[in-house]
Amino acid sequence: AQSVTQPDIHITVSEGASLELRCNYSYGATPYLFWYVQSPGQGLQLLLKYFSGDTLVQGIKGFEAEFKRSQSSFNLRKPSVHWSDAAEYFCAVGARRTNAGKSTFGDGTTLTVKP
Amino acid sequence: EAGVTQFPSHSVIEKGQTVTLRCDPISGHDNLYWYRRVMGKEIKFLLHFVKESKQDESGMPNNRFLAERTGGTYSTLKVQPAELEDSGVYFCASSRDSGLAGHEQYFGPGTRLTVT
Repeated sequence: AQSVTQPDIHITVSEGASLELRCNYSYGATPYLFWYVQSPGQGLQLLLKYFSGDTLVQGIKGFEAEFKRSQSSFNLRKPSVHWSDAAEYFCAVGARRTNAGKSTFGDGTTLTVKP
Repeated sequence: EAGVTQFPSHSVIEKGQTVTLRCDPISGHDNLYWYRRVMGKEIKFLLHFVKESKQDESGMPNNRFLAERTGGTYSTLKVQPAELEDSGVYFCASSRDSGLAGHEQYFGPGTRLTVT
């Protein structure tokens, strides 16, 4: 069965500092990988996705993530955090299949941004 | 285009009562998913519709939960009778039914269910 681990429940960074949120997955092969963000009162918004190809993927809002097969990781990064990035972030995996299917999520990481 | 909408945004009911949650997916999205987040834990899959058919209902916790998607448009999730452990946020998501785009799920804002 596939699973996702986000080791950090809560992270605090200063505005303008760099950010890295960790995500490790367990899956029999290379899954599809996603990062979502949830701001208060909002639904989950897809930040970026990895299906295949270049292991460094760019997303919206200046985020990027790198797929490392050897480490079963898909960490999310941003070079300079803005106060509006304060939110909860979820890593998810989907089964590599031709038709759509469920995603498996991690517990989420809450990001606080200090002024 | 309008996003995924869910109604109500918040519901408070007593144990033993019935609640029905509604999800309207993005127009044209054949795939519709229900997820649940309990007590700040991970978001757990409940079930997946393709049009009006249940493709995967492996995540449904028990027979107190009934999901329908008549006509392949909106979906309802009924909990009857509700128990305390059903409290949480219920998310709906939808996606197209075409190749890799089918794996890009668009989420609604969720319905927060509180059972007292």
